[in-house]
Amino acid sequence: DAGITQSPRYKITETGRQVTLMCHQTWSHSYMFWYRQDLGHGLRLIYYSAAADITDKGEVPDGYVVSRSKTENFPLTLESATRSQTSVYFCASSDSVGDAKNIQYFGAGTRLSVL
Amino acid sequence: LAKTTQPISMDSYEGQEVNITCSHNNIATNDYITWYQQFPSQGPRFIIQGYKTKVTNEVASLFIPADRKSSTLSLPRVSLSDTAVYYCLVTGYNTNAGKSTFGDGTTLTVKP
Repeated sequence: DAGITQSPRYKITETGRQVTLMCHQTWSHSYMFWYRQDLGHGLRLIYYSAAADITDKGEVPDGYVVSRSKTENFPLTLESATRSQTSVYFCASSDSVGDAKNIQYFGAGTRLSVL
Repeated sequence: LAKTTQPISMDSYEGQEVNITCSHNNIATNDYITWYQQFPSQGPRFIIQGYKTKVTNEVASLFIPADRKSSTLSLPRVSLSDTAVYYCLVTGYNTNAGKSTFGDGTTLTVKP
């Protein structure tokens, strides 16, 4: 299916475990983003990528690792999960082709609980 | 990248026009202003984008004064289904395209 998909939609893990959240887009957008949204708050940027093999930190990168070996995939890894990383994680993609000046398109989100 | 300031919450009634203003004093020459809407348990979705003056689409209008230090999202004749969180985002272009600061948004509650 076309669009941007995140998997899994729900994940429960334990403190100290490694967790990887997946994000896949079919538009060949150059930019991809990872945000976290804590209950009752706005979105905070974790990492973003301008193209394959180019990534950069956002506002809250500590405890997270990203990679982008292919344009369409942008996985987010929590190396050693902590309870403070319990949140909803959103992936987004954007491009600047034509009139669309980096309008971001979001996935449905992954709800992560760290016990 | 320019930081934005919005009211935390607003209330309205069905059928009224709602205007949400966003301040972005440090907007750069190449930045665009983009508004998103978010419903509970969903990702934000694009509403409207503009650079200057006025932009209108099928769901909203966006007013941007000449100095571009603020913008106003206008929702005509709101309904209960417009209850959501609205985010104003200064969207960098070219080298700044990756840096996005959403903030906490404005929670709009539409009452019957």
